[in-house]
Amino acid sequence: GAVVSQHPSRVICKSGTSVKIECRSLDFQATTMFWYRQFPKKSLMLMATSNEGSKATYEQGVEKDKFLINHASLTLSTLTVTSAHPEDSSFYICSASEQGDNQPQHFGDGTRLSIL
Amino acid sequence: GESVGLHLPTLSVQEGDNSIINCAYSNSASDYFIWYKQESGKGPQFIIDIRSNMDKRQGQRVTVLLNKTVKHLSLQIAATQPGDSAVYFCAETYMEYGNKLVFGAGTILRVKS
Repeated sequence: GAVVSQHPSRVICKSGTSVKIECRSLDFQATTMFWYRQFPKKSLMLMATSNEGSKATYEQGVEKDKFLINHASLTLSTLTVTSAHPEDSSFYICSASEQGDNQPQHFGDGTRLSIL
Repeated sequence: GESVGLHLPTLSVQEGDNSIINCAYSNSASDYFIWYKQESGKGPQFIIDIRSNMDKRQGQRVTVLLNKTVKHLSLQIAATQPGDSAVYFCAETYMEYGNKLVFGAGTILRVKS
C-alpha cells in the first residue's frame, strides 16, 4: 500500500519551456503532498507543501510564480516549472502521506529535469 | 570506515556484517523520525520510523535507536547485503510543523562482497 507515482520520470527541454510534473497517490487519499528538489549527492530540500483545495505554501526562497503547484483532487498534485532555465535543472521529488498522525511520507520516484 | 567533508559520509562494510548509520538531529521538539533508503535515480524508500515516546524499534533486519538526550538517531542493519547499498537519510518532524520533514545530510552505504 501507500504507493506514490510521479510522471514523467525524465524531461529534457529547451530553455523557456514550461514543464508540468504530476504526482499521484495510487491507493490512498492525500490532503497534503510535498514537493522537494534534490541536487546531486545532496539531501532533499523541501520546496512547498501542496494542500488539496487551497493554495500551496512555499518554503523561504522558493519562487511561487516560478514553481506553480495545483492540488485539485485528493490523489493528484502537479508542479509546473514555468519558463524553465538551465539553473532549474534538478531532480524533483514528490511525497504524500496517508491521513492520520505520524504517518510516514511515501515518495515518488522523482523527475529528472534537464534544461538545455 | 567513514569519510566526511565535501562529500556525503560513506560507510563501507563487508557483506554479512552489521551496519550502523548515525544521525544527529537538530530540533528538540521533533517527535517523529523516519529512516529512508535512496537508490540512484529513485525516490526515497521508507525503511522504519519511530516516535519520540520510544527509544528502540525493530523491523525486518533493521533496528532504529533514538536517544533524545543527545538528539541522536541510529539505524542498524543486520547481515548487510549488496542490495542494501544506497544513500540513507534520517528525517525528523513534529506535528506543529505540519508534518513537514527535515532531512539529514545522508550517508552512503557501500557493501563489499
